[in-house]
This record gives sequence, C-alpha cells and structure tokens, in this order.
Amino acid sequence: GAGVSQSPSNKVTEKGKDVELRCDPISGHTALYWYRQSLGQGLEFLIYFQGNSAPDKSGLPSDRFSAERTGGSVSTLTIQRTQQEDSAVYLCASSLDGGRGGDTQYFGPGTRLTVL
Amino acid sequence: KQEVTQIPAALSVPEGENLVLNCSFTDSAIYNLQWFRQDPGKGLTSLLLIQSSQREQTSGRLNASLDKSSGRSTLYIAASQPGDSATYLCAVSSNTGKLIFGQGTTLQVKP
Repeated sequence: GAGVSQSPSNKVTEKGKDVELRCDPISGHTALYWYRQSLGQGLEFLIYFQGNSAPDKSGLPSDRFSAERTGGSVSTLTIQRTQQEDSAVYLCASSLDGGRGGDTQYFGPGTRLTVL
Repeated sequence: KQEVTQIPAALSVPEGENLVLNCSFTDSAIYNLQWFRQDPGKGLTSLLLIQSSQREQTSGRLNASLDKSSGRSTLYIAASQPGDSATYLCAVSSNTGKLIFGQGTTLQVKP
C-alpha cells in the first residue's frame, strides 16, 4: 500500500496497562507526526520526528508517553500506565520533509484506544 | 500561543448550493495552511495546502483563500453534493510542519 498505515486499528485496555501503537509512514517520507483526537480536545499535536530524531516533543501530555522511530521509517508510540483520559484516536501522519514546513501531511486511519 | 477557530461548527445545506467555511488564526507567523476532510471513523484527507506566500489554491469544486495578515482563510465549495458531507478541518503549520487544528465544521448536504 502507498499510504500511511497504523496498527492496531482498535485497542481496548485496562487502566494501568501499557500499550504500543505502531505507524508505518509512506516510503521515503522523512517527517513523521503523531496527533491525538479526542471529543473534548479536538486534534492535538503530540510529537514530530525528522528521520530518527524528535526535535519537537512539546505535545506529549506526560512522561507516561514516549515515542521512537527506527530506520527512519516505522514509529512506535508507547503509553505507560494508561489512564481513562488517554482514551482517544491516535493519528499518525508523514510528509516528505517536515523541516521545510510546507509539505502536505498524509494521515493514517488512526488507532482508537479505549481505556476501561 | 497559536489558536485556530472555525465557524460555523455545523452547517446543513441543500444539494447544489455554494458554501463558504471560515477559519481564523491568532498568529500570522505561519508556514502554510491546510484544509482537510474527515469522514466519520476515518483519518484525514488533505484537500488543499496554501503556502504562506500564496493567496489561494483551487482543486476542482474547491477553492481556498488565505489572508495571512488578517489571520483568515476560507474554503469555498461550489455546487455542493451529498458526497461532500463530512467534517472539514483547517490547520496552520509551524516551521517544522507541526499542525495546529481548528475544531472543524461538520457539513451535511441534503439531497
């Protein structure tokens, strides 16, 4: 497939458990972004990767959230000790070169996380 | 802190009508502005991207304008169709491409 893919599409977990969300960006895209969409907050930026580095982590809501990117491709967003307020749709996007600030971002279908 | 506002929050129109969606932002130091469409339960689809140096972009029945100095953008949809029903999101970009989104306008086009 040529688009951004995310897995799983749905994740239900119990409060206090750790979860990992995966994003496969479009091949060749150096910039990768994580966003979160919740009913009360709308769409919020979480973190930006340029290659394997994360120059902007300003949107991560707490130290329970972390993300990594390996090989300039796949990224994993990890939420430790999940809380009910973490329930949201987590969206990943990629673009050709985020550093120029002007590239179209292509979004994946999202992972819907429900914390019971 | 950049804030993006979209008006109206919801809009219902009969098929065939032309319509305008509005977006405003508080900090004019943007790199670009993008309009997205989101269908229920789906991800975002990019519709138009306007660079900060541009005034407008067109794609088919869609036309987006940008007035950076006044902090405003509009998305014009001509001859609306039921298939246009979706939520439309406006987002402004920083130099790293980080997007700040508005809350969206939910559009319903009735046959």
